[in-house]
Amino acid sequence: GEDVEQSLFLSVREGDSSVINCTYTDSSSTYLYWYKQEPGAGLQLLTYIFSNMDMKQDQRLTVLLNKKDKHLSLRIADTQTGDSAIYFCAENNAGNMLTFGGGTRLMVKP
Amino acid sequence: DAGVIQSPRHEVTEMGQEVTLRCKPISGHDYLFWYRQTMMRGLELLIYFNNNVPIDDSGMPEDRFSAKMPNASFSTLKIQPSEPRDSAVYFCASREDLNTEAFFGQGTRLTVV
Repeated sequence: GEDVEQSLFLSVREGDSSVINCTYTDSSSTYLYWYKQEPGAGLQLLTYIFSNMDMKQDQRLTVLLNKKDKHLSLRIADTQTGDSAIYFCAENNAGNMLTFGGGTRLMVKP
Repeated sequence: DAGVIQSPRHEVTEMGQEVTLRCKPISGHDYLFWYRQTMMRGLELLIYFNNNVPIDDSGMPEDRFSAKMPNASFSTLKIQPSEPRDSAVYFCASREDLNTEAFFGQGTRLTVV
């Protein structure tokens, strides 16, 4: 079945790196996405990775994909208070439908 | 394009009343999705449309929920009658096709008292 799992909560200090992890089950997923949801707002796409890649870097964001273990991570370097939000990973499964994880609430302490 | 537009942003209604949520997808996007977000259940897909046609409504919780897409630029999600357990944030999202990302609206926060 389709299941995308994330830890519920992560707390880091400003300036540290944050690593948000996600596991998925559909090995045929073509794309994997990271969305950010700020309070009172909708989900905004942060970045995505194609399934034939194992790493993608975009400024402070690094996405790592371990396809064998079906593990996806999002690393935010030099985390800022403005990064505080809920982060959702999502897989584009065999039916091309997006399955979202439950979201990880990132809290950045000054 | 202004993105996916939802209205209203907030809705407070009494139990038993009809509620209608509205969505305008991004122009040219062939797919429209309705999601519900709660603390307990996270983000749930309720229904999605392709070219205005409902494709999968298996996520719609009960017959009290209905959705329509009369044209490519407008969709509604209706709850009749509403119940307190329907309180949630309802998101509309659109995709150009199933190989591209979803763009979300700002959501409608529904409170049923």
